[in-house]
Amino acid sequence: DAGITQSPRYKITETGRQVTLMCHQTWSHSYMFWYRQDLGHGLRLIYYSAAADITDKGEVPDGYVVSRSKTENFPLTLESATRSQTSVYFCASRGPPQETQYFGPGTRLLVL
Amino acid sequence: QQQVKQSPQSLIVQKGGIPIINCAYENTAFDYFPWYQQFPGKGPALLIAIRPDVSEKKEGRFTISFNKSAKQFSLHIMDSQPGDSATYFCAASMKENYGQNFVFGPGTRLSVLP
Repeated sequence: DAGITQSPRYKITETGRQVTLMCHQTWSHSYMFWYRQDLGHGLRLIYYSAAADITDKGEVPDGYVVSRSKTENFPLTLESATRSQTSVYFCASRGPPQETQYFGPGTRLLVL
Repeated sequence: QQQVKQSPQSLIVQKGGIPIINCAYENTAFDYFPWYQQFPGKGPALLIAIRPDVSEKKEGRFTISFNKSAKQFSLHIMDSQPGDSATYFCAASMKENYGQNFVFGPGTRLSVLP
């Protein structure tokens, strides 16, 4: 299917475990983004990538790692999950028209 | 200067009413102003967008009004329906520094009562 997909859609993990959230887009957009969405905070940018092998920090990068070896994939890894990382995570890519952002369906992560 | 302020935080209207959501920005370098609609359990989706060279844009029942001098823009939903109940985010963007220049407002939770 064309568009942007995320997996898993739901994840429960324990404090201290490593978790990887996957993101895949079929448009070949150069820019991709990871956001977290929490009540009262709206959408906060974690990391973004301008192209394969080019990534940079956003507003709330601590505790997260990203990589982008291929244009279409942009995985987000929580190296040692903490309860404060319980959130809904959205991946997005940026492209035409008007260079807007297109969001995936989200991953709901619960850290126990 | 990178912030986008949005109000109200929540809004309840009756079916057929015209909810209005307001946003304000500081950075005059912003040149693209989209609105996103998010239903529960879904990702945000582009609803309508405007550039500062026009003062109004309509798409169906959704209208953006833009006031460049006041650095404000607003979303109006005509003849609102219960199916419009969602969270609405305004955003602002500029061509420079693509990575971090897409700034979202905090969102407005709209409930349209039948």
